[in-house]
Amino acid sequence: EDKVVQSPLSLVVHEGDTVTLNCSYEVTNFRSLLWYKQEKKAPTFLFMLTSSGIEKKSGRLSSILDKKELFSILNITATQTGDSAVYLCAVRGSGNTGKLIFGQGTTLQVKP
Amino acid sequence: DAGVIQSPRHEVTEMGQEVTLRCKPISGHDYLFWYRQTMMRGLELLIYFNNNVPIDDSGMPEDRFSAKMPNASFSTLKIQPSEPRDSAVYFCASSLIGLRDTQYFGPGTRLTVL
Repeated sequence: EDKVVQSPLSLVVHEGDTVTLNCSYEVTNFRSLLWYKQEKKAPTFLFMLTSSGIEKKSGRLSSILDKKELFSILNITATQTGDSAVYLCAVRGSGNTGKLIFGQGTTLQVKP
Repeated sequence: DAGVIQSPRHEVTEMGQEVTLRCKPISGHDYLFWYRQTMMRGLELLIYFNNNVPIDDSGMPEDRFSAKMPNASFSTLKIQPSEPRDSAVYFCASSLIGLRDTQYFGPGTRLTVL
């Protein structure tokens, strides 16, 4: 059965800290891995990763994929209180369809 | 672009009543997804459509749930009869052919069944 596991489940840091969120997966015929940020409403798209070793960056956020070891990390540097959210990892597996399998999410709280 | 539109944003109903949730995907997107999110189970995919055709409904909890997509710009998720355990936030998302990995979510419908 395809599955996505995120760790840690929750994290509390102070502003300015750097955090690393983890996502490991087991899926048939991996196609891509996506990161979403969810505050109090709908998830918003952050990154899509398809190739190993290529870092995607957006401001203070960056992500990289390791297809050999079946995991991805999401880094946030110089965290701000606005980074507080649930970060979701999702993987698209077998077939040429749009179905995504979501992890349980990591809840990040950034304290002032 | 207006993004994915869902209605209603909040719904409170009594057990046994029929509930209909509505979704308008982003124009031109050919995939539409219905998700349910709860504290206990996280985000779950219920069903998705490609070009208005249901592709995978294996996530639909039981026969009380049904979904339709009569045209490219409208979909419904119906629960009949509703039960308290159906209380959740229901999201609709859409994606574009060739970029189908990137799903754009609507604001969600918060359903409370008393």
